Amino acid sequence: GAVVSQHPSWVICKSGTSVKIECRSLDFQATTMFWYRQFPKQSLMLMATSNEGSKATYEQGVEKDKFLINHASLTLSTLTVTSAHPEDSSFYICRVRDPEAFFGQGTRLTVV
Amino acid sequence: AQSVTQLGSHVSVSEGALVLLRCNYSSSVPPYLFWYVQYPNQGLQLLLKYTSAATLVKGINGFEAEFKKSETSFHLTKPSAHMSDAAEYFCAVSDRGGTSYGKLTFGQGTILTVHP
Repeated sequence: GAVVSQHPSWVICKSGTSVKIECRSLDFQATTMFWYRQFPKQSLMLMATSNEGSKATYEQGVEKDKFLINHASLTLSTLTVTSAHPEDSSFYICRVRDPEAFFGQGTRLTVV
Repeated sequence: AQSVTQLGSHVSVSEGALVLLRCNYSSSVPPYLFWYVQYPNQGLQLLLKYTSAATLVKGINGFEAEFKKSETSFHLTKPSAHMSDAAEYFCAVSDRGGTSYGKLTFGQGTILTVHP
């Protein structure tokens, strides 16, 4: 079936730095991808909808200048956490919309 | 607006026993419904989905779920639990029909523990 590859699987960064997370769709074109955040022992919360060739749509309460999303091609969407702080430490997961609602493997971000 | 309620944040069963994870949904349009499983520090794996075809949906690893519109439920079952089923399970509803799956709204998750 369709595969979504997310990289890196984990990352540790210093407070104030930026981190980029990649989400790639393999073997198919993904015009729309979704980015979720999951805090420990909590459910997934949608952060934004990434659309190929256009600006991302952010959910209420998500800072678009902090969480930069780029969807420059039909197979790649990136999430950049800018000026990361310890409270940004979380599990970030991407998902494709079509052809199936498959998720990436997730990225564990720890900001120290 | 859509919402999902998973009854029971923790479910514990013995190996070989029936697994029943409950999910109720609220949707103003005919929903697409999903069950996902998540192992620690991993992404979500799709177990099964309901897309308005058969109301009894069979998924991977012996799981199945039945869509009951009158009860607005989509409970997940497995006749005989295996140790490897221990994980967290999420029920989700999609806000779009047709051939694509839009925003997913997730339940709070149910942690399944399987005792030997």
